[in-house]
Amino acid sequence: QVQLVESGGGVVQPGGSLRLSCAASGFTFSRYDMHWVRQAPGKGLEWVAFIRYDGTNKYYADSVKGRFTISRDNSKNTLYLQMNSLRVEDTAVYYCSKYQGHPGYGHFDSWGQGTLVTVSS
Amino acid sequence: QSVLTQPPSVSAAPGQKVTISCSGSSSNIGNNYVSWYQQVPGKAPKLLIYDNNNRPSGIPDRFSGSKSGTSATLGITGLQTGDEADYYCGTWDSSLSVGVFGGGTKLTVL
Repeated sequence: QVQLVESGGGVVQPGGSLRLSCAASGFTFSRYDMHWVRQAPGKGLEWVAFIRYDGTNKYYADSVKGRFTISRDNSKNTLYLQMNSLRVEDTAVYYCSKYQGHPGYGHFDSWGQGTLVTVSS
Repeated sequence: QSVLTQPPSVSAAPGQKVTISCSGSSSNIGNNYVSWYQQVPGKAPKLLIYDNNNRPSGIPDRFSGSKSGTSATLGITGLQTGDEADYYCGTWDSSLSVGVFGGGTKLTVL
C-alpha cells in the first residue's frame, strides 16, 4: 500500500532554514507528480508546491515563491522541500501528497501523516 | 482568504442529508476537476471525491459530488456521528498555475 512518511520538521528561528523530506513507498514514485500542502494551527489547507514526476516542472504558491524549493530524487523515492528565510507565518503541519493525474485533471489520492514546522524566536 | 469559497460550518441531525458548496471561477472550478477531502482533527486529509463526482474504493455511496459551471457541491446522506469532520474542496487554477483549496467546512452531526 502507498506510504508517505515526512520528516525534518522542528523549531527554527525566523530567517532560518529547514529541509523536509518525504519518503515514498508502495508505488512507482518516478511516475507520479507530487505536492506539498500545509496547514497552520487551527486553519485550513494551503497548497504550497508542485513537482512533475520527472522534476522538469515546478510551481509554487506566491506565499513561498523565492524562499522554498521543491525537488525530488527518484532514485531514492524521496520528495524534498527546502525552506529558507522562514517566517512566523510558515508555522504549520506540512504534508506531502501523491497526485493522481496532472494539474487540472488530478487529485491528491494519498497523504503523509505530516511534519510540524514551528518558526519562533 | 481562500480562492475557493465554502461555508464555514454546516449541521444536521443523524440520518439527515447535508450539502456543502464550493464556489470558484472559470480559471479553477470552471475548467478543471474538483476533488473533496475529509479531515478529522489531528489526522491527514483523506480523499472523498475525485474528478467532480467519483468515489475512491472504500468510500460509501452516501457521499456524492457534483459540479455545475464554477461551483461544486458535496452531498452526504444518512448522516452519522462519524461523519463529523472538516471538509475541503480542491482543484487547480490554470491561470495562476497553483493548487487551490476552499477554506474548509466543519460538519456537525447534532
